[in-house]
Amino acid sequence: AQKVTQAQTEISVVEKEDVTLDCVYETRDTTYYLFWYKQPPSGELVFLIRRNSFDEQNEISGRYSWNFQKSTSSFNFTITASQVVDSAVYFCALSEAGLENYGGSQGNLIFGKGTKLSVKP
Amino acid sequence: ETGVTQTPRHLVMGMTNKKSLKCEQHLGHNAMYWYKQSAKKPLELMFVYSLEERVENNSVPSRFSPECPNSSHLFLHLHTLQPEDSALYLCASSPSDRSDNEQFFGPGTRLTVL
Repeated sequence: AQKVTQAQTEISVVEKEDVTLDCVYETRDTTYYLFWYKQPPSGELVFLIRRNSFDEQNEISGRYSWNFQKSTSSFNFTITASQVVDSAVYFCALSEAGLENYGGSQGNLIFGKGTKLSVKP
Repeated sequence: ETGVTQTPRHLVMGMTNKKSLKCEQHLGHNAMYWYKQSAKKPLELMFVYSLEERVENNSVPSRFSPECPNSSHLFLHLHTLQPEDSALYLCASSPSDRSDNEQFFGPGTRLTVL
């Protein structure tokens, strides 16, 4: 069964600290996609990144970086030099491509429970 | 307008009321979704529409009734809801319903059932 676990419910840091948000997933598919979304207080989820299961290259985008480790089924997200505007709830999500081949649910994102990040000035 | 819009942003209704949530996307996407976000629970996918046809219904109670008249609009009709249905209802769209498509979310409707 597919599952996404974000063990950290809430994290509080002081501005300029680095912070890592953990994400561990479970899937039996060999082809799948992992996502991170940010949900600011306004409510809408904002897409941050997508990785497919065959691309383990880490990615950096400005202060954001992602570490994908298939061996440990983890897809962790690090914010460097955090800022107050980074305060939000961050969700990790999984989508299994294999279901498309069996007429199953497509575009079905399985979300973790989210990690609430508070960055204090 | 751009992106995904949802109306109303807040809704309070009694258990015997009938109301509808509206979602509109201006992105030219072919797939639309309804999610429910309750406190302390993961986002739950409720319905998926692809090219105006429902392709996924995750065992949602019949008191929730979706409607997708065209690829830009999605409705969620509500009737005889329960207090436990109080939640943030999020609409999303994506270019297609393929699993590698990122989804674009609206701001949500905060629903309170009294």
